[in-house]
Amino acid sequence: AAGVIQSPRHLIKEKRETATLKCYPIPRHDTVYWYQQGPGQDPQFLISFYEKMQSDKGSIPDRFSAQQFSDYHSELNMSSLELGDSALYFCASSLGLAGQEDTQYFGPGTRLTVL
Amino acid sequence: GENVGLHLPTLSVQEGDNSIINCAYSNSASDYFIWYKQESGKGPQFIIDIRSNMDKRQGQRVTVLLNKTVKHLSLQIAATQPGDSAVYFCAENKGNSGYSTLTFGKGTMLLVSP
Repeated sequence: AAGVIQSPRHLIKEKRETATLKCYPIPRHDTVYWYQQGPGQDPQFLISFYEKMQSDKGSIPDRFSAQQFSDYHSELNMSSLELGDSALYFCASSLGLAGQEDTQYFGPGTRLTVL
Repeated sequence: GENVGLHLPTLSVQEGDNSIINCAYSNSASDYFIWYKQESGKGPQFIIDIRSNMDKRQGQRVTVLLNKTVKHLSLQIAATQPGDSAVYFCAENKGNSGYSTLTFGKGTMLLVSP
């Protein structure tokens, strides 16, 4: 079965640079979520989109922005990168079943290293 | 991998044993709970879920128990296998918008010895 696709899988950037992470949800999933996971930490919710509109917002820094496109893929844009942004970034997608259990399926993640 | 176990509680079992992983959640209004398995360097993988109107749900070799009174969730894995070695997270649906924003609990590393 098709899964969530994330690219790139690994990314190395310098401080103050920008980075763009991409996420392609499972076909027919119209909801995407972004999470950040530091070493030894649980995933922390950043932001989500449903039908190309932001649906919820978590602990996303102002330096980060995201959007969902007409084909439902999503991009997380990160600017003025800091050392502390080094982490695994996961995208998850779901069917967007409001008010019901709506299982999120996770991609393999993008490992961002900021030097 | 990301989960090096330095800050994670660890459960060590022998192959064939039954494993029980526990989780406490914080929001009494949460109505949907999921267990995820995360292997080193990979994304969380859905294992089993449960709604708040249930107290038990069974899958293949896994059972989730929910105690709403004490806000406690457990994952039982029967006949644990080396391939079960991973970090296990519980997650609760705390969405404000009606969509399933998840809040993850602290993971537990399960180590299975052959």
